[in-house]
Amino acid sequence: KAGVTQTPRYLIKTRGQQVTLSCSPISGHRSVSWYQQTPGQGLQFLFEYFSETQRNKGNFPGRFSGRQFSNSRSEMNVSTLELGDSALYLCASSFGHTYSTDTQYFGPGTRLTVL
Amino acid sequence: DAKTTQPPSMDCAEGRAANLPCNHSTISGNEYVYWYRQIHSQGPQYIIHGLKNNETNEMASLIITEDRKSSTLILPHATLRDTAVYYCIANTDKLIFGTGTRLQVFP
Repeated sequence: KAGVTQTPRYLIKTRGQQVTLSCSPISGHRSVSWYQQTPGQGLQFLFEYFSETQRNKGNFPGRFSGRQFSNSRSEMNVSTLELGDSALYLCASSFGHTYSTDTQYFGPGTRLTVL
Repeated sequence: DAKTTQPPSMDCAEGRAANLPCNHSTISGNEYVYWYRQIHSQGPQYIIHGLKNNETNEMASLIITEDRKSSTLILPHATLRDTAVYYCIANTDKLIFGTGTRLQVFP
């Protein structure tokens, strides 16, 4: 079974631009979560989408947004990029169960550099 | 979500067992203990999880104390490829990553 895929793998943008990252979950998984990893803050939860609805949200500004499509693929968008947005962006997919344990599997990440 | 505490770094000789401890003294009854590892800025890799009972899979064993306030991940025969940052997480709906333990396996 194919794993979680993320595109693009590397991205360079300049301050003020916007960026869209894509995540394709494991087949059958309906939940997609996004995380940001920086050397200073570590791995931080951004948000989770399930059945095209945002189900959970971390503590990030409104410049960070996402969406999920009917095939469970997800995109996240960052507008008005800042230097501090340079990070590894990871997505993870799972079945989305809330009534039992639900293991998340991560993709390889998108490395975003903001100049 | 419960906070977990792990030692920042550990060393292990190749071929020996690596025992990585984790403290989660504020874990609630419905929170599972999950372990992930991250090798060189790749995506975190799922290792194992458990609620109350000890668990074993092809990668590792997880020992959870009876009061559930701490756990130990055991890699029975560490190899150089097990060098990574290991994260212990008490999970409900979202994963809260701490700083993890940097395990260095040496020849």
